[in-house]
Amino acid sequence: NAGVTQTPKFRILKIGQSMTLQCAQDMNHNYMYWYRQDPGMGLKLIYYSVGAGITDKGEVPNGYNVSRSTTEDFPLRLELAAPSQTSVYFCASSHRDLYEQYFGPGTRLTVT
Amino acid sequence: QKEVEQNSGPLSVPEGAIASLNCTYSDRGSQSFFWYRQYSGKSPELIMSIYSNGDKEDGRFTAQLNKASQYVSLLIRDSQPSDSATYLCAVRKGGYQKVTFGTGTKLQVIP
Repeated sequence: NAGVTQTPKFRILKIGQSMTLQCAQDMNHNYMYWYRQDPGMGLKLIYYSVGAGITDKGEVPNGYNVSRSTTEDFPLRLELAAPSQTSVYFCASSHRDLYEQYFGPGTRLTVT
Repeated sequence: QKEVEQNSGPLSVPEGAIASLNCTYSDRGSQSFFWYRQYSGKSPELIMSIYSNGDKEDGRFTAQLNKASQYVSLLIRDSQPSDSATYLCAVRKGGYQKVTFGTGTKLQVIP
């Protein structure tokens, strides 16, 4: 099993550009999450999903969008990138009943 | 009051000693508790989960939960330099599908 995979690993965006961060899991987990982590800070939940077609906002959803058309994939869309979105983005997944989250390797995004 | 609080550290312990990491949470309805380890520049890795009061042991790691006092702790016995990392506490409130993470405690194990 690959677990949770994320692409790209690194990306530099110009202000106002858009991009999609990809996340996939092969553990048949129902729940998937997107977090951002700023230097020296904890993980902030952006969006999460409890199954295909069901998504909900987390703590810091502004400037982001998600969709979940399959159990395996949970892409995060950044529209009109801003310097405040410079961060490391982690995708995670968990089984419905256990909530133990397994994280992908992360995407380091810089907006300049 | 933060939902999940941890001392940011750094907590420095000599090699071979017991490292004790603490976490407090604010919601009495919390049901699931997790410890993650995060090396610098890497993603969080699940170490242990605990769901009921008492101790849970896994190798050199012991998680302790006290719901009445609203704290959860992680003990690392025979600490090794490779244990040097930031340890994140995470808590799930009952009825919710999401967890809240603390900001982490940085542990330094001195050879």
